[in-house]
Amino acid sequence: EAGVTQFPSHSVIEKGQTVTLRCDPISGHDNLYWYRRVMGKEIKFLLHFVKESKQDESGMPNNRFLAERTGGTYSTLKVQPAELEDSGVYFCASSQRTGGLYGYTFGSGTRLTVV
Amino acid sequence: GQQLNQSPQSMFIQEGEDVSMNCTSSSIFNTWLWYKQDPGEGPVLLIALYKAGELTSNGRLTAQFGITRKDSFLNISASIPSDVGIYFCAGQLSGGSNYKLTFGKGTLLTVNP
Repeated sequence: EAGVTQFPSHSVIEKGQTVTLRCDPISGHDNLYWYRRVMGKEIKFLLHFVKESKQDESGMPNNRFLAERTGGTYSTLKVQPAELEDSGVYFCASSQRTGGLYGYTFGSGTRLTVV
Repeated sequence: GQQLNQSPQSMFIQEGEDVSMNCTSSSIFNTWLWYKQDPGEGPVLLIALYKAGELTSNGRLTAQFGITRKDSFLNISASIPSDVGIYFCAGQLSGGSNYKLTFGKGTLLTVNP
């Protein structure tokens, strides 16, 4: 079974540019989550999808961040325009059902550097 | 929101030594989790604890869920070089927010061969 796949693994962009991160969850996992770790800090929850619906986006930092999950398969997280403080590692995770730890699996992350 | 205080921030030990790290919270969690992150990878679940007072082992790893449900520790015995990485504690609530994980800041472990 393929794991959670994230693309790209690294991205370096200039302040003001746009970046789109992609996450392919494990096949059959309805739940998809985005987390972010800013260097030296904790991994923080950003948002949660169930299929194509956003269940909770309370962790999204501001309206420069837009997450989508069209068709309930892969998800994208767009940052527009990027700011220096957006640098960090963005993790995606997926799980089979909400709650508990049923297959709650993280991807390898996208390291975003804004210069 | 909930915050987890994880300590120590980093540890530098010799191969064969035992290691202990812990997390405390001002809030109660229903599940405590310990993850390890290798360089360039995502967090991987090591141990999950579901009941207050529970003590669980996974090979050389032992973790306990505190009686108050506000703390947990992870012990690694007889460390080896591949134990190097960042260890995160995480708490999970039950009920409506039980999909979210709240993480500590991590403990960076370096093992000197």
